[in-house]
Amino acid sequence: DTEVTQTPKHLVMGMTNKKSLKCEQHMGHRAMYWYKQKAKKPPELMFVYSYEKLSINESVPSRFSPECPNSSLLNLHLHALQPEDSALYLCASSPDNYDTEAFFGQGTRLTVV
Amino acid sequence: GESVGLHLPTLSVQEGDNSIINCAYSNSASDYFIWYKQESGKGPQFIIDIRSNMDKRQGQRVTVLLNKTVKHLSLQIAATQPGDSAVYFCAENRAEYGNKLVFGAGTILRVKS
Repeated sequence: DTEVTQTPKHLVMGMTNKKSLKCEQHMGHRAMYWYKQKAKKPPELMFVYSYEKLSINESVPSRFSPECPNSSLLNLHLHALQPEDSALYLCASSPDNYDTEAFFGQGTRLTVV
Repeated sequence: GESVGLHLPTLSVQEGDNSIINCAYSNSASDYFIWYKQESGKGPQFIIDIRSNMDKRQGQRVTVLLNKTVKHLSLQIAATQPGDSAVYFCAENRAEYGNKLVFGAGTILRVKS
């Protein structure tokens, strides 16, 4: 299994809603990532988890809350988002925390209304 | 500031020709580089990587060249095919931050039949 699976594929939420994005991998990878990608832009790093601990937070607003329940799962909890948060949210994983390729999921297309 | 960027935002090539996509980086401490391909509606897909102790690496139809003197990276695609049409990103791993993969701006490759 060489896949990173993200659910849902599409999500529309209101600014007062609470929702969660989910990411799963069964490759035994110990580093997992959240990226945000706006149209015609490169992915921007949000968070990195290494061995289930948050190692990098790129000054992301607190309305985005990551969680790593175990080594295979990564969640992104969303609350009180703004329309400008609409984007493609990408999850990735890599074997360890240093100089290894990251495998990406297909992303969740989020629209905040 | 530190950045990873690309010289050409759009590249159009004839089917069967070779393509060269360029990338400049500014952090001399970066020690690992990856090229990703992203098709519309999909997550980035790993193409090839190179470490800073190498200057060339070849894959199937692709070659990555690294020139550390001028901080330049290129991706060469031989015999470009319509299926190669996509956005190509170079990504830089900044070792001093652990596994922090930073993406360049991207180049759109269009293959004309």
